[in-house]
Amino acid sequence: SQQGEEDPQALSIQEGENATMNCSYKTSINNLQWYRQNSGRGLVHLILIRSNEREKHSGRLRVTLDTSKKSSSLLITASRAADTASYFCATDPRRGSSNTGKLIFGQGTTLQVKP
Amino acid sequence: ETGVTQSPTHLIKTRGQQVTLRCSSQSGHNTVSWYQQALGQGPQFIFQYYREEENGRGNFPPRFSGLQFPNYSSELNVNALELDDSALYLCASSLWAISGETQYFGPGTRLLVL
Repeated sequence: SQQGEEDPQALSIQEGENATMNCSYKTSINNLQWYRQNSGRGLVHLILIRSNEREKHSGRLRVTLDTSKKSSSLLITASRAADTASYFCATDPRRGSSNTGKLIFGQGTTLQVKP
Repeated sequence: ETGVTQSPTHLIKTRGQQVTLRCSSQSGHNTVSWYQQALGQGPQFIFQYYREEENGRGNFPPRFSGLQFPNYSSELNVNALELDDSALYLCASSLWAISGETQYFGPGTRLLVL
């Protein structure tokens, strides 16, 4: 079963605009990661945020995490046509002393950036 | 490029057949995880191998099995294929089987079961 629910399912914006994607999850986590996938190919790791962090930046990416609401958001600023892809959040649920990095993915947000 | 390779890239099988998918992990990585991604869905965790031993399994039946070799490459075997097994199969390698380790994904094998 999917741990994360992503919102929106699809997003279409113009180049230069910002894109915001949201992810909600159900159980306690060790960390949350965001991945990108181009056209059904392999996933590319974008950013990891740990459960004790609230915000993290990487280039044009900004991720927030609210563990009280069990939600995260990914903001892509100044989007480019090359950002067109599917974006997935993945949680690493807390399982007692077992921390093995078995990720649970959401269903993803499909982002289209128009030139 | 992540350094993780998978073969074959595409595969067509018929219902009831068996299939073996292969994954070469990134150099130095001792952990391989396998995921199934149905069309329009997020990847679902199948199982993980750490130093040649199964190290956790998702909600998949026993006809999904795997191996990890001494060089840490891995195989996913699926017996008695069903139509619903049609999906993109992704493997990911990581340095260790611990939380927070970045997982590097291969390009996937697209399996079609007719």
